[in-house]
Amino acid sequence: AQKITQTQPGMFVQEKEAVTLDCTYDTSDPSYGLFWYKQPSSGEMIFLIYQGSYDQQNATEGRYSLNFQKARKSANLVISASQLGDSAMYFCAMRGDWGGYNKLIFGAGTRLAVHP
Amino acid sequence: DAGITQSPRHKVTETGTPVTLRCHQTENHRYMYWYRQDPGHGLRLIHYSYGVKDTDKGEVSDGYSVSRSKTEDFLLTLESATSSQTSVYFCAISESGGETQYFGPGTRLLVL
Repeated sequence: AQKITQTQPGMFVQEKEAVTLDCTYDTSDPSYGLFWYKQPSSGEMIFLIYQGSYDQQNATEGRYSLNFQKARKSANLVISASQLGDSAMYFCAMRGDWGGYNKLIFGAGTRLAVHP
Repeated sequence: DAGITQSPRHKVTETGTPVTLRCHQTENHRYMYWYRQDPGHGLRLIHYSYGVKDTDKGEVSDGYSVSRSKTEDFLLTLESATSSQTSVYFCAISESGGETQYFGPGTRLLVL
């Protein structure tokens, strides 16, 4: 069965420093995708970054990068040069195959607080 | 930003009453999804649609039904609301089943 685990309920980081949010996954499918979403206090879900299981390079989007270690089944999000606006909940998700259809499975999330 | 709206944005209702939430998209995406978000659970899929009149169940579908009569609209109905259905409901869309899902603003539902 597919599963996403985020072991850090809360993290804090000083402004301008880098932070890594952990995500491990479990799947038996050879083809899958991993996503990170940000949920600020206003409540919307914002797509940040995507990594495909066959992608050779780690995904990057601006200050966000995904540290993809396939053998360890981890897909950690790295935020460089943290800003106060990065304070939010962050969700890792995996595209899973349930009965032939692709669906997203979410972790429980990590709350990040950026301190000035 | 993907053109996704949800209505209503907030609703308070009583146990046993029917409730319908609407998701509307202007992106002409084939796939639409309904999730609920509860503390400690992340988001969980309720139902999804892969085309007009084509829908299927997710992991927490009990007590919910959906309908999709037009590409742009996906309705979620609680036939007889219960307090356990108090939650934040998100609609999402994607071009295909494997593509990135983009989310609507959410609907906060309180069942008293």
